[in-house]
Amino acid sequence: KNEVEQSPQNLTAQEGEFITINCSYSVGISALHWLQQHPGGGIVSLFMLSSGKKKHGRLIATINIQEKHSSLHITASHPRDSAVYICAVRSYGGSQGNLIFGKGTKLSVKP
Amino acid sequence: NAGVTQTPKFQVLKTGQSMTLQCAQDMNHEYMSWYRQDPGMGLRLIHYSVGAGITDQGEVPNGYNVSRSTTEDFPLRLLSAAPSQTSVYFCASSYSYPGGAGGSEKLFFGSGTQLSVL
Repeated sequence: KNEVEQSPQNLTAQEGEFITINCSYSVGISALHWLQQHPGGGIVSLFMLSSGKKKHGRLIATINIQEKHSSLHITASHPRDSAVYICAVRSYGGSQGNLIFGKGTKLSVKP
Repeated sequence: NAGVTQTPKFQVLKTGQSMTLQCAQDMNHEYMSWYRQDPGMGLRLIHYSVGAGITDQGEVPNGYNVSRSTTEDFPLRLLSAAPSQTSVYFCASSYSYPGGAGGSEKLFFGSGTQLSVL
């Protein structure tokens, strides 16, 4: 069983829809990252969470440590949000450079 | 401030050849890592470093070698390339900063190297 599971694997939405991507993990963690990988391949960090909730523009990330679950929400989705969204965790006591990644959720937003 | 610079972008090798993927960051980050990304799998950690002179193995270290002689540079060496090493490779660096509950950390990735081993 993978230590980090993302759902759904693929997601197609219409422009303007509210989107939720889920990440569940099985290990105790110190940090959880949400990353965005565009079709060109570049990877960009969106959020790092250790508790609670963070918001940046139309993106909101939440984490529930007790339930070992995090969600990434995109409000008013736009075609430029089309990308692969990746969840990664740093296990408790692990080094900052040592992350475990989910397989990613491929999001396609249609105009 | 260039961020994380990774070269080359593309490389084709023959089985048995050796090569070095270069990674440099100009942000004075302590932590640097190498990952490989294969279809249908998440990024997997090859080697990482918590500072100059200190490296450690990740999940898939076999066939790869690293060194960290300076804070800026973290090259990845393929000792004798095999077709199983065909993949996209990413270098990353990260740092911690105070703020919020327990502080925070941010990741920076290089643009990736697409490697094919024939």
